[in-house]
Amino acid sequence: GDSVTQMEGPVTLSEEAFLTINCTYTATGYPSLFWYVQYPGEGLQLLLKATKADDKGSNKGFEATYRKETTSFHLEKGSVQVSDSAVYFCAHYQGGSEKLVFGKGTKLTVNP
Amino acid sequence: SQTIHQWPATLVQPVGSPLSLECTVEGTSNPNLYWYRQAAGRGLQLLFYSIGIDQISSEVPQNLSASRPQDRQFILSSKKLLLSDSGFYLCAWSVPGSSYEQYFGPGTRLTVT
Repeated sequence: GDSVTQMEGPVTLSEEAFLTINCTYTATGYPSLFWYVQYPGEGLQLLLKATKADDKGSNKGFEATYRKETTSFHLEKGSVQVSDSAVYFCAHYQGGSEKLVFGKGTKLTVNP
Repeated sequence: SQTIHQWPATLVQPVGSPLSLECTVEGTSNPNLYWYRQAAGRGLQLLFYSIGIDQISSEVPQNLSASRPQDRQFILSSKKLLLSDSGFYLCAWSVPGSSYEQYFGPGTRLTVT
């Protein structure tokens, strides 16, 4: 069945470090892909998305490229800030279902 | 613009008591609606989703139920809460047949004591 696998955290970085959070998916066809961010005590916010192969989603310095060859959608940021501390969720659309399939989330802590 | 509201924001209830959580979406018509639960330190669990009034699908068998009395209102209920019902409850909406992203509310923190 459809699934999303993302690297398990927690991930701890120093400010201005480079961030990569890996995400791979199993799905039929080429589903839309998403990264969501959840700050402490809040709901999820859509961070970025890509709807077809080779698309690059970007927002707030974060980027992710839809790689159909490797069924991956890794999240990257060149220089993280303390304010980026949050839980990050990778997700894909489950075709024909009106539902999203989420990964388990990766907790990122950025220290000053 | 569209907004999604959830209330209450926090709730402390004893075991065996009833539950009613409400979610309302503004600024859109006929949205898909979703209820998720997030247990402490864990990922998202889809509980229910609805593609229209009186069209509700249950994802996980449990002592919870959902209703959609109006197009943009989604209610999560229980007749008798269990300790295991504690968690962070999130409501979300999406535009049917679009690029499928979901938009989440601020959540309700439920503690069953």
